[in-house]
Amino acid sequence: GAVVSQHPSRVICKSGTSVKIECRSLDFQATTMFWYRQFPKQSLMLMATSNEGSKATYEQGVEKDKFLINHASLTLSTLTVTSAHPEDSSFYICSATGSGTDNLYGYTFGSGTRLTVV
Amino acid sequence: LAKTTQPISMDSYEGQEVNITCSHNNIATNDYITWYQQFPSQGPRFIIQGYKTKVTNEVASLFIPADRKSSTLSLPRVSLSDTAVYYCLVGDPGGYNNNDMRFGAGTRLTVKP
Repeated sequence: GAVVSQHPSRVICKSGTSVKIECRSLDFQATTMFWYRQFPKQSLMLMATSNEGSKATYEQGVEKDKFLINHASLTLSTLTVTSAHPEDSSFYICSATGSGTDNLYGYTFGSGTRLTVV
Repeated sequence: LAKTTQPISMDSYEGQEVNITCSHNNIATNDYITWYQQFPSQGPRFIIQGYKTKVTNEVASLFIPADRKSSTLSLPRVSLSDTAVYYCLVGDPGGYNNNDMRFGAGTRLTVKP
């Protein structure tokens, strides 16, 4: 089945620094990827949608200059949290779909990244 | 507006059958219904997907009435390890539409011994 690998699984960074999270499709070409943020006890909140080779589409209220998304290849998308602050601490999850996947099995999610900004 | 509505929480006991219903009154012709399971600090995991009537796999069944305005996820004989949050998503699998990928609140299932 389709596998999405997300790294790192957890990261701690100092306030003001930037953090990059990678999302890789291991056995299919991910033409579309979605990035989510999830706070404790809450549902997943869609941040942005990225299509390979195009600029990401951000949800209302999500700062595109703070959350930089790159989807330059069919197997890799990255989310960079720039100038991170403690309020950016959250669980970030990616999801991918594309050619080579069986869409009847829905979208495949990464295992998530726990970001803690101190 | 949320595309789906689910109960916020449910409690059950080991060995019981659990049915979680999701309302999706505005489901479109091309939309499928997909259920995901999420454990703490993990990404959602696919459980089952269907378009109409009944779908069954090794872990669950999905019941969809003729009008498709709701669906019910059925978990037979739950165990403690089924304690998780369950989400239903409604959308076109081939549409890659971000509207289809917005999660509702989900249902927090707690299985007690």
